[in-house]
Amino acid sequence: QKEVEQNSGPLSVPEGAIASLNCTYSDRGSQSFFWYRQYSGKSPELIMFIYSNGDKEDGRFTAQLNKASQYVSLLIRDSQPSDSATYLCAVLGDGQNFVFGPGTRLSVLP
Amino acid sequence: DGGITQSPKYLFRKEGQNVTLSCEQNLNHDAMYWYRQDPGQGLRLIYYSQIVNDFQKGDIAEGYSVSREKKESFPLTVTSAQKNPTAFYLCASSIGGAQYEQYFGPGTRLTVT
Repeated sequence: QKEVEQNSGPLSVPEGAIASLNCTYSDRGSQSFFWYRQYSGKSPELIMFIYSNGDKEDGRFTAQLNKASQYVSLLIRDSQPSDSATYLCAVLGDGQNFVFGPGTRLSVLP
Repeated sequence: DGGITQSPKYLFRKEGQNVTLSCEQNLNHDAMYWYRQDPGQGLRLIYYSQIVNDFQKGDIAEGYSVSREKKESFPLTVTSAQKNPTAFYLCASSIGGAQYEQYFGPGTRLTVT
């Protein structure tokens, strides 16, 4: 069974701080990695994807991938109260099926 | 506007009734997916289809059925055999292939009493 694990949280950070969200996965054949944000009662929306080892930056968001350690993370700089949501890590393997983690609930405190 | 639509947003049914959830996309995506989400939990894959007239079971297919007669449509039927059908159901689509992200519809919240 392919697994994706995340700390369920809640992770609380003060406004303006860096929020660090982590995800580990079990399938070494995984090729693509995605971060989705989900507000309560809403559907997930894609915020970042990464395919290669290293860092990828998009505005206040940075995704980091380490395939050797089977680890992917999302950093949110200058966190805002509007960033308060559940963040889902998703991994796409050879079978072209997405496996989602349980999500980490982030709370940004004003 | 391009996107994925799901209807209805809220659905109420009595136990023992079958119910069909609609999912339509105009993104010209080949692949479509159905997920179930329970409170405080992640997404679990019910069924997926990578091409018209073909679909495969996901991790929790028991009690569900699907069809894919058109590229843009992927309806999900929740049958009376599904023991605990109350949940948030999400439809997604993707271009397909190893590097393409999924996009989600707004979801249907099904309550069975």
